[in-house]
Amino acid sequence: DAGVIQSPRHEVTEMGQEVTLRCKPISGHNSLFWYRQTMMRGLELLIYFNNNVPIDDSGMPEDRFSAKMPNASFSTLKIQPSEPRDSAVYFCASRERYEQFFGPGTRLTVL
Amino acid sequence: RKEVEQDPGPFNVPEGATVAFNCTYSNSASQSFFWYRQDCRKEPKLLMSVYSSGNEDGRFTAQLNRASQYISLLIRDSKLSDSATYLCVANTGGFKTIFGAGTRLFVKA
Repeated sequence: DAGVIQSPRHEVTEMGQEVTLRCKPISGHNSLFWYRQTMMRGLELLIYFNNNVPIDDSGMPEDRFSAKMPNASFSTLKIQPSEPRDSAVYFCASRERYEQFFGPGTRLTVL
Repeated sequence: RKEVEQDPGPFNVPEGATVAFNCTYSNSASQSFFWYRQDCRKEPKLLMSVYSSGNEDGRFTAQLNRASQYISLLIRDSKLSDSATYLCVANTGGFKTIFGAGTRLFVKA
């Protein structure tokens, strides 16, 4: 298996632009997680899905953030409009039972 | 108070040293625990699970103390390649997984 796939790996955009991050979980994993990591705040859980259904989005910082999982093999995290404080590494992870497998992350820079 | 707390370090140790990290969790309903390792600019990866009876994997030993709500990781005979950030994780069952902020370890020659 290729593991969790994320794209793009790097994204540089200007404030106010829309950003869409993509994730393909490991086949057969029924839970998917989106995290944000910064030096100041560490690894923060934004939202998680189980069987494509959002279970807890309490970590989503603002209405500017939204996430979808239209099917078992694809999820998106969208930021609209983006702001400089959104600059971080965004990880997607999938899980079958207890162990979470992380993707390589998307390093987002908002200028 | 954070649900999972760790000493951020950094811990600077010489090769061959033994180093221990502790982590505390606040939710007594937490059911399973893990240590993840994260290398610089990489994703976190599972290092080992933590069982009530304690478990060992080579130079690494993990222990759980439910009464005091802490878990520990012991690394013996440290290698340069052990330099990384170690993340403590508590799972309350279902889908709720909380990561600590991590403890940074530097092993020097």
